[in-house]
Parts: sequence; structure tokens; C-alpha cells
Amino acid sequence: EVHLVESGGRVVQPGGSLRLSCAASGVIFDDYALHWVRQAPGKSLEWVSLINWDSGRTFFADSVKGRFIVSRDKSNNSLYLQMNSLRPEDAALYYCAIAAGDGAFDMWGQGTLVTVSS
Amino acid sequence: EIVLTQSPGTLSVSPGERATLSCRASQSVDARRLAWYQQKPGQAPRLLIFGASSRATGIPDRFSGSGSGTDFTLSISRVEPEDFAVYYCQQYATSFTFGPGSRVDLK
Repeated sequence: EVHLVESGGRVVQPGGSLRLSCAASGVIFDDYALHWVRQAPGKSLEWVSLINWDSGRTFFADSVKGRFIVSRDKSNNSLYLQMNSLRPEDAALYYCAIAAGDGAFDMWGQGTLVTVSS
Repeated sequence: EIVLTQSPGTLSVSPGERATLSCRASQSVDARRLAWYQQKPGQAPRLLIFGASSRATGIPDRFSGSGSGTDFTLSISRVEPEDFAVYYCQQYATSFTFGPGSRVDLK
């Protein structure tokens, strides 16, 4: 079983940048996909990005496309989200999640909080 | 984008009662790629159901999912105190979208 721990969330000014990390313990197989999902306070869940663990191919929600970059480091089982040109609407709890089976999000971290405010 | 709507917004039930939650998609969800998650306050979501009707590992059999096409249902046969939470449906057939959630609370 894979366990996920996010870090890196903090207060950042609009227009600023931030890099989130997600450390995974356990074995991540090549056919897994790792996702970032965010949740603004009191709101539903919003999918942000996906990276295929094997190929490194990435996908993004339209709301972050061109501003966010996702990467992974297989040598230390880590996932990263580089967030640039941050906007107030990017403020949320950011979760990393893993899809190991048919594509549903089997395991989630506990999240890291991003606040965008001047 | 496939938009998901959930009903009711809030369902008030007593322990031992049955709870039925609905998720409707704006277009057909291919291959029944529809999941249900449970989220309790201060916790991350937990996968309950994938493929519309398959229970995830460790999920009690009082939880069941059904449906296809655009209409899906999550049922809790006999609500336990630990089941009071918010439930989200998600489609993962065409990109990924979540519904707004349905809250199950104590009557």
C-alpha cells in the first residue's frame, strides 16, 4: 500500500510561485497515475493535474494550464507541483492522490494548504 | 466537460435507516468510470466505490453502487454513526470531474 504525504503549502502573494511536494512510501508501479486535486474551503473537489508515473506524460485542468507544472522523481518516489502566477482562486487544500487500478483515486494524502493573499 | 450533479444536497437519516444518494452526469459516462468518495471533516476523501459498483478494499458491504450511462446511485443499507459525512461522485472517463457533494447527517 502506498502512503502519501504532501508539503510546501504556505501563504503566497498573488502573482507569486510555490512548489508543492508529495512524498510516497511504498511501491509505485509504472502503470500508476499520480494526481493533484484541490479543495477550496467549504467547496467540492477540483482535479488539477495528472502525471503518468512511467512515461512522465502530464495533463492539466484548463484553470491551471500554462501556469502549473507537474513532475515526478522516481528515484525518491516524489511528486511535485510547481505553481506559478498564483491567483486568489488557487487558494485551497491541495491533495496528491494515486490511481492504481481502473483510474479511480485509490489513495490520498492529507493535503497541504495554499493561501494566496496580499 | 462532463458536469455531475448530486442530490439531495443534504440527507438527514437516523442510524439503521437506508440512505440513497444520486449522481447525474451531463453526458454518458463511458465504461461506467464513476467513483464515489466519502469525506469526513478534516480528513482526505476516501474511495468507496469504483467502476460504478465495485467496492474498494476494506469498504463495508452496507455500501453499494449502481447505475450506468448518466444516472448513478450510492446506497448505504443501514447507516452507522461513522457514515455521517459528505459523499462525492466523480467521473474519470473523460478527464476528471467531481460532483458538488451530498451531506449525510443525523436526523
